[in-house]
Amino acid sequence: QVHLQESGPGLVKPSQTLSLTCTVSGGSISSGGYYWSWIRQPAGKGLEYIGRVYATGSTNYNPSLKSRVTISIDTSKNQFSLNLSSVTAADTAIYYCARILVGVASFDIWGQGTMVTVSS
Amino acid sequence: QSALTQPASVSGSPGQSITISCTGTGSDVGGFNYVSWYQQLPGKAPQLMVYDVTKRPSGVSNRFSGSKSGNTASLTISGLQAEDEAEYFCSSYTSSSTWVFGGGTKLSVL
Repeated sequence: QVHLQESGPGLVKPSQTLSLTCTVSGGSISSGGYYWSWIRQPAGKGLEYIGRVYATGSTNYNPSLKSRVTISIDTSKNQFSLNLSSVTAADTAIYYCARILVGVASFDIWGQGTMVTVSS
Repeated sequence: QSALTQPASVSGSPGQSITISCTGTGSDVGGFNYVSWYQQLPGKAPQLMVYDVTKRPSGVSNRFSGSKSGNTASLTISGLQAEDEAEYFCSSYTSSSTWVFGGGTKLSVL
């Protein structure tokens, strides 16, 4: 059974870079057939797609965040990461990592989520 | 990309059926058969309930069904149960090779 777990700082100062890691267990991140994605949810609000990475390192980002987002993959550690630069209070949210099955285009396995607050 | 449009809330009594709509454009919902639906219980991560418009993952009750007409997708829950009370989100693949979500619908089981 594949399991995803987010980790990283819960508090980030404005203008700094938010960095999170998603560790995948129970399966290999490099086996192909899946995209690995980040999604966020501000408190009491809806979900927002941030972007995704494939095992080859190929990425795709939400156009509204593209200038500030980098998603990378480390197959040796079975992890993928999110960097979001120049953060503001509007980036305060629960951040989820999730798996997408290629060809199905749905998020079939989610991490539990991690709350990130942007505040000085 | 704009969020898909969902009603803020719906309600129903135990045993009844309810339908949640999800309206997009020809660049997302109308353009692809890649609409999915997620159930989110309070304080929990979303859980996939329907994918590819009409398909259910293993383990999801057949009381949950999906459909689509034009730019609007729908999730129907039949035989409502108290445990169905949750927030439901739709999602669609887009022509930009990204994904877009709906704003969410809170289901109350009266």
